Amino acid sequence: ILNVEQSPQSLHVQEGDSTNFTCSFPSSNFYALHWYRWETAKSPEALFVMTLNGDEKKKGRISATLNTKEGYSYLYIKGSQPEDSATYLCASPYSGGGADGLTFGKGTHLIIQP
Amino acid sequence: EPEVTQTPSHQVTQMGQEVILRCVPISNHLYFYWYRQILGQKVEFLVSFYNNEISEKSEIFDDQFSVERPDGSNFTLKIRSTKLEDSAMYFCASKREQYGYTFGSGTRLTVV
Repeated sequence: ILNVEQSPQSLHVQEGDSTNFTCSFPSSNFYALHWYRWETAKSPEALFVMTLNGDEKKKGRISATLNTKEGYSYLYIKGSQPEDSATYLCASPYSGGGADGLTFGKGTHLIIQP
Repeated sequence: EPEVTQTPSHQVTQMGQEVILRCVPISNHLYFYWYRQILGQKVEFLVSFYNNEISEKSEIFDDQFSVERPDGSNFTLKIRSTKLEDSAMYFCASKREQYGYTFGSGTRLTVV
């Protein structure tokens, strides 16, 4: 069983400020790291799937980095906006097979204050 | 953009009853999943389904649970003899190989 941890559990950020939070995972038998954005009453939305050590991905004001050797990923949000308020989940698959189930972290609940 | 559709959005059932949660995955996706989140806890993997059979299942997915893809479009999760602790948000997801999952918006199951 994988242990995926996220910190902090919740975060209040002033509109316009930049922020980041962490996902940690076992560095052994690593296959991939997923980030999702989940707004209340909606479906979790895929942000990034990262597989290579040192990978950096970007989607608008959101970016993510991956360190598979030390077992962590950072998600960065630049110039936070109220619409960024959501729970951000990271997850890693049990195995490299196509039908792999994901182990999720508990999420970071981000609140952007106007 | 294609969506994964789940029905109903909220289901209330008596303890001991059977429930069927329904999902319509994205039509050209090959892998199908059920996850659940008990309030305040992590999202947990239940089962994956590929090529008309279960590929992987977690220890949560015991004999109380079953999945079916009866007609090539719907993907259902049946929970027999529901217990109070089965109350959770149940998410369906699908994907093509090598891409991220697409999740449905969930069915909130309340067992009373």
